[in-house]
Amino acid sequence: AQSVTQLDSQVPVFEEAPVELRCNYSSSVSVYLFWYVQYPNQGLQLLLKYLSGSTLVKGINGFEAEFNKSQTSFHLRKPSVHISDTAEYFCAVSDGGTGNQFYFGTGTSLTVIP
Amino acid sequence: DTAVSQTPKYLVTQMGNDKSIKCEQNLGHDTMYWYKQDSKKFLKIMFSYNNKELIINETVPNRFSPKSPDKAHLNLHINSLELGDSAVYFCASSPPGLYGYTFGSGTRLTVV
Repeated sequence: AQSVTQLDSQVPVFEEAPVELRCNYSSSVSVYLFWYVQYPNQGLQLLLKYLSGSTLVKGINGFEAEFNKSQTSFHLRKPSVHISDTAEYFCAVSDGGTGNQFYFGTGTSLTVIP
Repeated sequence: DTAVSQTPKYLVTQMGNDKSIKCEQNLGHDTMYWYKQDSKKFLKIMFSYNNKELIINETVPNRFSPKSPDKAHLNLHINSLELGDSAVYFCASSPPGLYGYTFGSGTRLTVV
Protein backbone atom coordinates (compact mmCIF):
# COMPACT_ATOMS: atom_id res chain seq x y z
CA ALA A 1 0.00 0.00 0.00
CA GLN A 2 1.08 3.54 -0.62
CA SER A 3 0.83 6.54 1.66
CA VAL A 4 2.03 10.10 1.73
CA THR A 5 2.93 12.27 4.69
CA GLN A 6 3.13 16.02 4.53
CA LEU A 7 4.73 17.03 7.78
CA ASP A 8 3.82 20.71 7.72
CA SER A 9 0.16 21.62 7.70
CA GLN A 10 0.87 25.36 7.48
CA VAL A 11 3.89 27.23 6.17
CA PRO A 12 4.03 31.02 6.36
CA VAL A 13 6.82 32.68 4.39
CA PHE A 14 7.68 36.23 3.42
CA GLU A 15 7.42 37.32 -0.18
CA GLU A 16 10.59 36.71 -2.20
CA ALA A 17 11.93 34.27 0.39
CA PRO A 18 12.64 30.64 -0.53
CA VAL A 19 10.29 27.86 0.56
CA GLU A 20 10.41 24.10 0.91
CA LEU A 21 7.29 21.98 1.41
CA ARG A 22 8.06 18.52 2.68
CA CYS A 23 6.63 15.25 1.45
CA ASN A 24 7.55 11.71 2.46
CA TYR A 25 6.05 8.58 1.01
CA SER A 26 5.93 4.91 1.80
CA SER A 27 5.51 2.22 -0.79
CA SER A 28 6.51 -1.35 -1.36
CA VAL A 29 6.61 -0.94 -5.12
CA SER A 30 7.84 1.58 -7.66
CA VAL A 31 6.22 4.91 -7.14
CA TYR A 32 5.29 7.85 -9.21
CA LEU A 33 5.11 11.15 -7.38
CA PHE A 34 3.17 14.30 -8.03
CA TRP A 35 2.61 17.75 -6.56
CA TYR A 36 -0.70 19.52 -7.03
CA VAL A 37 -1.72 23.07 -6.10
CA GLN A 38 -5.20 24.15 -5.08
CA TYR A 39 -5.99 27.86 -5.16
CA PRO A 40 -8.93 29.04 -3.03
CA ASN A 41 -12.28 27.72 -4.26
CA GLN A 42 -10.71 25.94 -7.20
CA GLY A 43 -9.85 22.42 -8.22
CA LEU A 44 -6.37 20.95 -8.11
CA GLN A 45 -3.80 21.69 -10.79
CA LEU A 46 -0.76 19.58 -11.55
CA LEU A 47 2.49 21.37 -10.62
CA LEU A 48 5.00 18.67 -11.50
CA LYS A 49 5.58 14.94 -11.49
CA TYR A 50 8.35 12.40 -11.15
CA LEU A 51 8.04 9.21 -13.15
CA SER A 52 11.65 8.18 -13.77
CA GLY A 53 15.01 9.57 -14.86
CA SER A 54 16.46 12.77 -13.41
CA THR A 55 15.61 13.11 -9.74
CA LEU A 56 15.25 16.90 -10.02
CA VAL A 57 11.96 17.76 -11.62
CA LYS A 58 10.95 21.23 -12.73
CA GLY A 59 7.32 22.28 -12.84
CA ILE A 60 5.18 25.28 -13.55
CA ASN A 61 5.38 28.66 -11.80
CA GLY A 62 9.07 28.22 -10.91
CA PHE A 63 8.57 25.21 -8.62
CA GLU A 64 10.86 22.20 -8.57
CA ALA A 65 11.04 19.00 -6.55
CA GLU A 66 13.70 16.43 -5.86
CA PHE A 67 13.05 12.71 -5.62
CA ASN A 68 15.21 11.07 -2.96
CA LYS A 69 14.75 7.33 -2.91
CA SER A 70 16.95 6.67 0.12
CA GLN A 71 15.01 9.17 2.20
CA THR A 72 11.67 8.36 0.54
CA SER A 73 11.06 12.05 0.04
CA PHE A 74 9.82 14.34 -2.69
CA HIS A 75 10.14 17.86 -1.30
CA LEU A 76 8.85 20.84 -3.25
CA ARG A 77 10.91 24.01 -3.47
CA LYS A 78 10.78 27.49 -4.88
CA PRO A 79 13.68 29.95 -4.59
CA SER A 80 11.53 33.08 -4.35
CA VAL A 81 7.82 33.05 -3.63
CA HIS A 82 5.16 35.51 -4.72
CA ILE A 83 1.88 36.51 -3.11
CA SER A 84 0.11 34.57 -5.85
CA ASP A 85 1.70 31.33 -4.59
CA THR A 86 -0.58 31.40 -1.54
CA ALA A 87 -2.51 28.15 -1.87
CA GLU A 88 -2.86 24.59 -0.62
CA TYR A 89 -0.25 22.15 -1.90
CA PHE A 90 -0.81 18.41 -2.11
CA CYS A 91 1.74 15.68 -2.59
CA ALA A 92 0.42 12.48 -4.18
CA VAL A 93 1.73 9.02 -5.01
CA SER A 94 0.56 6.45 -7.49
CA ASP A 95 1.81 2.94 -8.19
CA GLY A 96 0.39 3.09 -11.69
CA GLY A 97 -1.81 0.12 -10.89
CA THR A 98 -5.46 -0.58 -11.53
CA GLY A 99 -7.33 2.62 -12.13
CA ASN A 100 -4.19 4.70 -11.72
CA GLN A 101 -5.31 5.57 -8.22
CA PHE A 102 -3.62 8.45 -6.47
CA TYR A 103 -3.08 8.70 -2.73
CA PHE A 104 -2.92 12.26 -1.52
CA GLY A 105 -1.22 13.77 1.50
CA THR A 106 -3.16 15.96 3.89
CA GLY A 107 -1.93 19.14 2.24
CA THR A 108 0.26 22.07 3.22
CA SER A 109 -1.21 25.53 3.35
CA LEU A 110 1.36 28.01 2.06
CA THR A 111 0.75 31.63 3.03
CA VAL A 112 2.99 34.25 1.48
CA ILE A 113 3.26 37.35 3.63
CA PRO A 114 3.84 40.71 1.93
CA ASP B 1 -13.84 25.11 -23.19
CA THR B 2 -13.65 23.85 -19.62
CA ALA B 3 -11.85 20.51 -19.58
CA VAL B 4 -13.65 18.94 -16.60
CA SER B 5 -16.85 20.64 -15.59
CA GLN B 6 -19.03 19.89 -12.58
CA THR B 7 -22.51 21.10 -11.80
CA PRO B 8 -23.68 22.50 -9.55
CA LYS B 9 -20.81 24.43 -7.97
CA TYR B 10 -22.70 24.85 -4.71
CA LEU B 11 -25.45 22.67 -3.30
CA VAL B 12 -27.28 23.31 -0.04
CA THR B 13 -29.89 20.78 0.92
CA GLN B 14 -31.70 19.32 3.90
CA MET B 15 -30.97 16.04 5.59
CA GLY B 16 -32.80 13.13 4.04
CA ASN B 17 -32.95 14.58 0.54
CA ASP B 18 -31.57 12.92 -2.60
CA LYS B 19 -29.26 14.91 -4.84
CA SER B 20 -27.05 14.44 -7.89
CA ILE B 21 -23.82 16.02 -9.03
CA LYS B 22 -22.89 15.91 -12.69
CA CYS B 23 -19.45 15.75 -14.26
CA GLU B 24 -18.41 15.99 -17.88
CA GLN B 25 -14.96 15.98 -19.48
CA ASN B 26 -14.11 16.98 -23.03
CA LEU B 27 -10.52 15.72 -22.98
CA GLY B 28 -11.19 12.32 -24.44
CA HIS B 29 -9.87 10.65 -21.28
CA ASP B 30 -10.83 7.06 -20.59
CA THR B 31 -10.85 7.20 -16.79
CA MET B 32 -12.92 9.37 -14.47
CA TYR B 33 -12.95 9.68 -10.70
CA TRP B 34 -14.88 11.06 -7.77
CA TYR B 35 -12.94 12.36 -4.78
CA LYS B 36 -14.28 13.73 -1.51
CA GLN B 37 -12.43 16.55 0.24
CA ASP B 38 -13.39 16.98 3.88
CA SER B 39 -13.24 20.09 6.04
CA LYS B 40 -9.57 19.38 6.82
CA LYS B 41 -8.79 19.32 3.09
CA PHE B 42 -8.13 15.57 3.11
CA LEU B 43 -8.78 14.04 -0.33
CA LYS B 44 -10.12 10.53 -0.52
CA ILE B 45 -11.05 8.59 -3.62
CA MET B 46 -14.59 7.30 -3.80
CA PHE B 47 -15.01 5.80 -7.27
CA SER B 48 -13.22 5.37 -10.54
CA TYR B 49 -14.63 4.42 -13.93
CA ASN B 50 -12.70 3.36 -16.99
CA ASN B 51 -14.65 3.54 -20.22
CA LYS B 52 -17.97 3.33 -18.37
CA GLU B 53 -16.87 0.40 -16.19
CA LEU B 54 -16.46 0.69 -12.44
CA ILE B 55 -12.88 -0.13 -11.49
CA ILE B 56 -12.42 1.44 -8.06
CA ASN B 57 -15.13 1.37 -5.46
CA GLU B 58 -13.77 2.44 -2.11
CA THR B 59 -15.60 1.93 1.12
CA VAL B 60 -18.33 4.51 0.91
CA PRO B 61 -21.93 4.19 2.10
CA ASN B 62 -24.17 2.59 -0.49
CA ARG B 63 -26.23 5.78 -0.42
CA PHE B 64 -23.62 7.00 -2.92
CA SER B 65 -24.10 5.64 -6.42
CA PRO B 66 -22.01 6.64 -9.42
CA LYS B 67 -23.35 6.41 -12.94
CA SER B 68 -21.41 6.69 -16.17
CA PRO B 69 -23.68 6.91 -19.23
CA ASP B 70 -20.64 7.28 -21.49
CA LYS B 71 -16.93 7.76 -21.02
CA ALA B 72 -17.24 11.55 -21.01
CA HIS B 73 -19.70 11.66 -18.11
CA LEU B 74 -19.61 10.45 -14.53
CA ASN B 75 -22.45 11.48 -12.26
CA LEU B 76 -22.76 10.99 -8.52
CA HIS B 77 -26.13 10.39 -6.92
CA ILE B 78 -26.52 10.57 -3.16
CA ASN B 79 -29.59 9.24 -1.36
CA SER B 80 -30.81 10.18 2.10
CA LEU B 81 -28.22 12.88 2.66
CA GLU B 82 -26.65 13.15 6.10
CA LEU B 83 -24.83 15.99 7.87
CA GLY B 84 -21.54 14.11 7.49
CA ASP B 85 -21.85 14.18 3.72
CA SER B 86 -21.05 17.89 3.76
CA ALA B 87 -17.79 18.26 1.85
CA VAL B 88 -16.36 19.35 -1.46
CA TYR B 89 -16.69 16.68 -4.14
CA PHE B 90 -14.20 16.70 -7.00
CA CYS B 91 -14.51 14.99 -10.30
CA ALA B 92 -11.30 14.22 -12.20
CA SER B 93 -10.23 12.45 -15.36
CA SER B 94 -7.02 10.98 -16.69
CA PRO B 95 -5.72 9.42 -19.89
CA PRO B 96 -3.96 6.04 -19.88
CA GLY B 97 -0.51 6.22 -18.34
CA LEU B 98 0.91 8.44 -15.63
CA TYR B 99 -0.06 11.87 -16.86
CA GLY B 100 -1.83 12.90 -13.70
CA TYR B 101 -5.39 13.93 -13.22
CA THR B 102 -7.32 16.90 -14.53
CA PHE B 103 -9.69 18.06 -11.81
CA GLY B 104 -12.98 19.86 -11.99
CA SER B 105 -13.49 22.93 -9.82
CA GLY B 106 -15.49 21.03 -7.23
CA THR B 107 -19.02 20.95 -5.84
CA ARG B 108 -19.42 22.25 -2.32
CA LEU B 109 -22.21 20.24 -0.72
CA THR B 110 -23.71 21.51 2.52
CA VAL B 111 -26.29 19.40 4.29
CA VAL B 112 -28.37 21.25 6.89
